[in-house]
Amino acid sequence: ETGVTQTPRHLVMGMTNKKSLKCEQHLGHNAMYWYKQSAKKPLELMFVYNFKEQTENNSVPSRFSPECPNSSHLFLHLHTLQPEDSALYLCASSQALGMENEQYFGPGTRLTVT
Amino acid sequence: GQNIDQPTEMTATEGAIVQINCTYQTSGFNGLFWYQQHAGEAPTFLSYNVLDGLEEKGRFSSFLSRSKGYSYLLLKELQMKDSASYLCAVRDQTDSWGKLQFGAGTQVVVTP
Repeated sequence: ETGVTQTPRHLVMGMTNKKSLKCEQHLGHNAMYWYKQSAKKPLELMFVYNFKEQTENNSVPSRFSPECPNSSHLFLHLHTLQPEDSALYLCASSQALGMENEQYFGPGTRLTVT
Repeated sequence: GQNIDQPTEMTATEGAIVQINCTYQTSGFNGLFWYQQHAGEAPTFLSYNVLDGLEEKGRFSSFLSRSKGYSYLLLKELQMKDSASYLCAVRDQTDSWGKLQFGAGTQVVVTP
């Protein structure tokens, strides 16, 4: 148990659907992250929130829309996705940004876009 | 630009030692992390190096040479449960908070 939970664990959606991924951390951390993990590729940072404020948008297409209502919850809203968006989406949190603060990852949502 | 290289796959026998190398070329540097990720699970933190030298933690050790842009993760007394992907990540300090740049991971297969 890493203290970071994600739902759903698996999601299949059509290109015209709208869905949301949810992440919750129970560690009292102040920073939260969304990553995309595709097969055989490095983790790609998508978004970073620090104390609920977005500090990083790593050139992510607008069909991905993050939301951070408080320091414990993070959402990723999805609409009109493409098949190449199929991947494992990982949420992570850390006590603070930078330095030695390691990131704690959730188990991920395996997304398939048909 | 950023570039982090590690081997794609390594195979070793139970009880043996395996060394996973990671070389990096980043605009800035403020620490290197190793994570372990079992198939279908979350990456979990293994080690953090910010100064040159060896950090030992049980069966796992991590080494860093900043001048060479090089790190390795050493796994001793391999067990079957060590079969996993090992991710090298460098903290780039050129921006305000130091995002992590990840390598593609090294899949370690432990055989009986």
